Parts: sequence; C-alpha cells; structure tokens
Amino acid sequence: RKEVEQDPGPFNVPEGATVAFNCTYSNSASQSFFWYRQDCRKEPKLLMSVYSSGNEDGRFTAQLNRASQYISLLIRDSKLSDSATYLCVVILHDYKLSFGAGTTVTVRA
Amino acid sequence: GAVVSQHPSWVICKSGTSVKIECRSLDFQATTMFWYRQFPKQSLMLMATSNEGSKATYEQGVEKDKFLINHASLTLSTLTVTSAHPEDSSFYICSASLVGTGVEQYFGPGTRLTVT
Repeated sequence: RKEVEQDPGPFNVPEGATVAFNCTYSNSASQSFFWYRQDCRKEPKLLMSVYSSGNEDGRFTAQLNRASQYISLLIRDSKLSDSATYLCVVILHDYKLSFGAGTTVTVRA
Repeated sequence: GAVVSQHPSWVICKSGTSVKIECRSLDFQATTMFWYRQFPKQSLMLMATSNEGSKATYEQGVEKDKFLINHASLTLSTLTVTSAHPEDSSFYICSASLVGTGVEQYFGPGTRLTVT
C-alpha cells in the first residue's frame, strides 16, 4: 500500500465553483501534513500546512482527520489560475516528505 | 527569500554518459538537501538525503554508485547520474531546508533529463 494516496482526477470545474478532494495516508504516526501545488513541468510549491484544527487561507481550506487518516483540500470560488496538480505531502519522521501522486484540477471559463 | 536553483534546467545525453546536476540555495544555508525523481503522472520519489560534509543517505532501491551525491558546502549539492540509461530519463528535483528548521523545504525548479 502506498504511503500517500490521492484521487488523480481530473476535476473539471467552472470558474466560481467549489472543488474538494481528499488524500489518505497509511501511517498513523505521520506527524505533519501539507498541500503543495505543482504546475506542469514545474517544481512543487507549498500551498499550505494542514493543522489538526483545520485551517483556512483565503479561498483554500484544509482539514485533517487523524481518526480516518485523511486530509482534505477545499477550494472556493475557483479561478482559472487554480488549475494545477495538488500534491498531498506527509512527513513521518526525519523531515522526509512523502508525496501523493497528485490531484489534477482544471478550472474552465 | 529561500530560493533554490538547479542547473541545468534540462539536459539530453547519450546512453552511457554521466550527467551532473547542481542544486544551490541562493540566499540561505541549507544543512540538508533532498533529491527527488518524478516520472510522468507519478509522485515525487525521494532518492536521497544529503547533509553537508557527510555521506548521503539513500532510499531503498536507489543505487548509490549510480547516483552520486556530493554536498560540499551549505549552499551546494550535486547529483551525478553515472552511466545514464534511457530509463533514467526523468524530472530530477532538489529541495533544501533551512539551518535549524528542517521541516519546510524549498524546491529547485527541477532538471529534466532525457537519455537517448
């Protein structure tokens, strides 16, 4: 079983829509959780950390469910510029990042 | 701040040759740098962790004699793909973490390697 699993999508949504997707992780001892964004043929860029209490950054909301071992990302009022692949990242220990394969989101006009 | 550069950004080489990729932290010192590989539509896979002045720690399944890593200073790590084969064609990305922290990593722009 992979350490981090994501629905690859793609999620095709119109501008202004809300889109949400999850990521599951296999190791209950995982310590830190992040969402990264990766544009085509580019490096990943940190979107936001995910805290136990859930957190929001503008139109983006992240949630962590330790009991079910998943994290989620919700994007409100989608913009064209939100089109990207969203990578779920989990740190188990030693600062090693485990990446999911990514969820592709395409926002259409 | 926290900019990481990689050079070259893309390279094409012939099978059997060696390729060196540089990763530099431009405006900070990085005790630890990480090397990843990403095949199309797949996740980034950690290849090795490199600490300044010591030997790199390789992940299971990564051949240390094929992927030579040198972390000679707090701002530079190099990855050399030796005797490259077409199956080594991939997107190689490095990241660096700030001295004293380690959790947040800053990624380089990646190097796209094509072996013909």
